[in-house]
Amino acid sequence: GQQLNQSPQSMFIQEGEDVSMNCTSSSIFNTWLWYKQDPGEGPVLLIALYKAGELTSNGRLTAQFGITRKDSFLNISASIPSDVGIYFCAGRLPGNEKLTFGTGTRLTIIP
Amino acid sequence: ETGVTQSPTHLIKTRGQQVTLRCSSQSGHNTVSWYQQALGQGPQFIFQYYREEENGRGNFPPRFSGLQFPNYSSELNVNALELDDSALYLCASSSQGDGYGYTFGSGTRLTVV
Repeated sequence: GQQLNQSPQSMFIQEGEDVSMNCTSSSIFNTWLWYKQDPGEGPVLLIALYKAGELTSNGRLTAQFGITRKDSFLNISASIPSDVGIYFCAGRLPGNEKLTFGTGTRLTIIP
Repeated sequence: ETGVTQSPTHLIKTRGQQVTLRCSSQSGHNTVSWYQQALGQGPQFIFQYYREEENGRGNFPPRFSGLQFPNYSSELNVNALELDDSALYLCASSSQGDGYGYTFGSGTRLTVV
């Protein structure tokens, strides 16, 4: 099935560093969502974006809905150990109920 | 407010068998979606149920079927299991028209041997 292109695939950073990841699609979406998934758990919604150009923050997390509606990015500032996990973007096409997920970015914090 | 609960958490089945997975939606949610997540991949949409009817389906064969009950809980049934069906099966509930507030359960880990 289709998956969105998400990069980087993995990141190894030190605590306190900022993180940036992005997601691109060949299709136009009317909603972009960012999720975090911990081992053995389901994805947990971090940020939802509903309008092209929208910039939304949730604590140390900031996400933007690309102007072309075909991309989105997520930034995490001043990373902490609990940020470790897999981050997924997901998009929703106009008039369609399903979410299309990205391939995921695995974030690891080096001690 | 209770979240989405799925059962069982783990399951091992033999190729060719049938399996039923269960999901209780979050209180106040009337829509249930099912996703399959293979190891190292993002979740893939299987189908969605709203008002007890299928309301959208992904690229999965007919041996994947589902039900939604009047209390909005749901079942996912998979017949003639194949080895490639081994995955984490996620249920997500939402309320139609509320801005896509999907809440996922912790999933059922299905292993087909």
